[in-house]
Amino acid sequence: GIQVEQSPPDLILQEGANSTLRCNFSDSVNNLQWFHQNPWGQLINLFYIPSGTKQNGRLSATTVATERYSLLYISSSQTTDSGVYFCAVVVRGSTLGRLYFGRGTQLTVWP
Amino acid sequence: GAVVSQHPSRVICKSGTSVKIECRSLDFQATTMFWYRQFPKQSLMLMATSNEGSKATYEQGVEKDKFLINHASLTLSTLTVTSAHPEDSSFYICSASSRETSGSSYEQFFGPGTRLTVL
Repeated sequence: GIQVEQSPPDLILQEGANSTLRCNFSDSVNNLQWFHQNPWGQLINLFYIPSGTKQNGRLSATTVATERYSLLYISSSQTTDSGVYFCAVVVRGSTLGRLYFGRGTQLTVWP
Repeated sequence: GAVVSQHPSRVICKSGTSVKIECRSLDFQATTMFWYRQFPKQSLMLMATSNEGSKATYEQGVEKDKFLINHASLTLSTLTVTSAHPEDSSFYICSASSRETSGSSYEQFFGPGTRLTVL
């Protein structure tokens, strides 16, 4: 099956710093989503981004489908950004839309 | 839009009892619903995929008779953990997708999860 690799596995930042999270995938995809899992376990949809670039406030994401990677940028990080960030993809040709998840990046932002 | 709810959020039960978890899409009709399990500090593990009105498709290694899934309507799916044992303790999360909200893109929206503890 498709491999989804996220890096770094852990990231510790001071409030106000910027960061880049990376997601590499091993096959062509129909869909790529970035999620933030908060301390209570809820997965929050950040971006649906199978290709191109999107921005939402301090967050932005870029997916280069031809090179099979996606980047999530967090600018001016805040303590509320702490949590686990997951990348997940749907393999091209999927009929049910099964998501394959990476292992996540654990982000800790200190005040 | 695209809100998914789960109930209960937390349940503690005795070994041997059955537990039912409900997953509802509140503002859209879910063509497909998914059930995941997550252990501490790990990623989500897909257990099964269900389409409304048809039998669920289980992932390899997931016991169908242990984890019963019913997708009776376009807004409701249930997961029943039968004869629960301590090793079934985990965080269970559902998600839903719909062609209404995402066309053919299969964007998934997740419920808040249910924390099951079996004593």
